[in-house]
Amino acid sequence: AQTVTQSQPEMSVQEAETVTLSCTYDTSESDYYLFWYKQPPSRQMILVIRQEAYKQQNATENRFSVNFQKAAKSFSLKISDSQLGDAAMYFCASPNNNDMRFGAGTRLTVKP
Amino acid sequence: DVKVTQSSRYLVKRTGEKVFLECVQDMDHENMFWYRQDPGLGLRLIYFSYDVKMKEKGDIPEGYSVSREKKERFSLILESASTNQTSMYLCASSLVRYNEQFFGPGTRLTVL
Repeated sequence: AQTVTQSQPEMSVQEAETVTLSCTYDTSESDYYLFWYKQPPSRQMILVIRQEAYKQQNATENRFSVNFQKAAKSFSLKISDSQLGDAAMYFCASPNNNDMRFGAGTRLTVKP
Repeated sequence: DVKVTQSSRYLVKRTGEKVFLECVQDMDHENMFWYRQDPGLGLRLIYFSYDVKMKEKGDIPEGYSVSREKKERFSLILESASTNQTSMYLCASSLVRYNEQFFGPGTRLTVL
């Protein structure tokens, strides 16, 4: 069963603007990590940002930040000052039983 | 830097052929994974391995088998390829089971 939901199959943002990609998850783990991965066209999937569930503070990596709402099991990714190189598929991931579950992905287009 | 390599970027096979997809990682990771990526479905786990000669089924193991004879190498085998196995196959590895996964570039398999 799908336990990670990305409700936006596609998103578009103007260069230099801010965009937020949403993700909800369901896990029975009490202590866990959450991840956002980026997959540029025809290129390797790479980690964008990681959030430790026991930390209150939202993770930030340069222009990327998360809004982590543990009680709501929500984990959104905010991209500030969007750049053309941010165009990619973005996947969120959370642990589930014995493995990691990925959402269906959000395709982000950046308009010049 | 962790490097995960996959034997082929593109592969075309005929129905009924036996297909081997190879994955090698160079960072002594315990855990290795095989995913299938299809549009709208995200990444679905086929098999994973947490140690040499150990394997566990993921969500969609039917029609696939795996082999892990050495720590750095994890092979995915399609015993008798079928057209519905046409997909992108991603290999990943991780040091800790529920932590960051490092991905290979993917193999786009077409079964005719």
